[in-house]
Amino acid sequence: DAKTTQPPSMDCAEGRAANLPCNHSTISGNEYVYWYRQIHSQGPQYIIHGLKNNETNEMASLIITEDRKSSTLILPHATLRDTAVYYCIVRVNNAGNMLTFGGGTRLMVKP
Amino acid sequence: GAGVSQSPRYKVAKRGQDVALRCDPISGHVSLFWYQQALGQGPEFLTYFQNEAQLDKSGLPSDRFFAERPEGSVSTLKIQRTQQEDSAVYLCASSLWDRGDEAFFGQGTRLTVV
Repeated sequence: DAKTTQPPSMDCAEGRAANLPCNHSTISGNEYVYWYRQIHSQGPQYIIHGLKNNETNEMASLIITEDRKSSTLILPHATLRDTAVYYCIVRVNNAGNMLTFGGGTRLMVKP
Repeated sequence: GAGVSQSPRYKVAKRGQDVALRCDPISGHVSLFWYQQALGQGPEFLTYFQNEAQLDKSGLPSDRFFAERPEGSVSTLKIQRTQQEDSAVYLCASSLWDRGDEAFFGQGTRLTVV
């Protein structure tokens, strides 16, 4: 799977939008962009994924650039409970494909 | 249950001891994965099952690590002759077989080898 690059840490004020960037310049045409997060002492939690179109669900929005070399995860109104490590992963959407986690971005939401 | 359940939640083992970690996936989920997460790092893939078949075990770090899922539901990860470098959180995840999009993770088992 292609590798991703994320900033190691970010801060965000409570109630503001958190914008988490991810670079995946070597992504292949059949690879999706996935985002997971891991709150302290818990297992990773799926957030959202997309191929080339922007996606939105109840948790977040995913913006993928037209060339697909980068993406941004947006938490529209961050709360203290959103403090976690956020992982950007690219993978082919097959049942048996594992997730390859990098270092992620540690997001700290501050009051 | 509603989610993936792992037990025990915490395990302390003396070096050289054998341990067994259990994973109860979400009912009906055909795909099951095991990951190892060292302190301060992202999870790393260990092995993958589709039903009872272990289709990928490329991530198992040594032949001391063994996983099984005999009836295609509950899975056990066994580590023989534990060593200090085996100390980590072991995570189990399951997903629907024909959709690799969303994997559901358990809370993990924190193994400490002393």
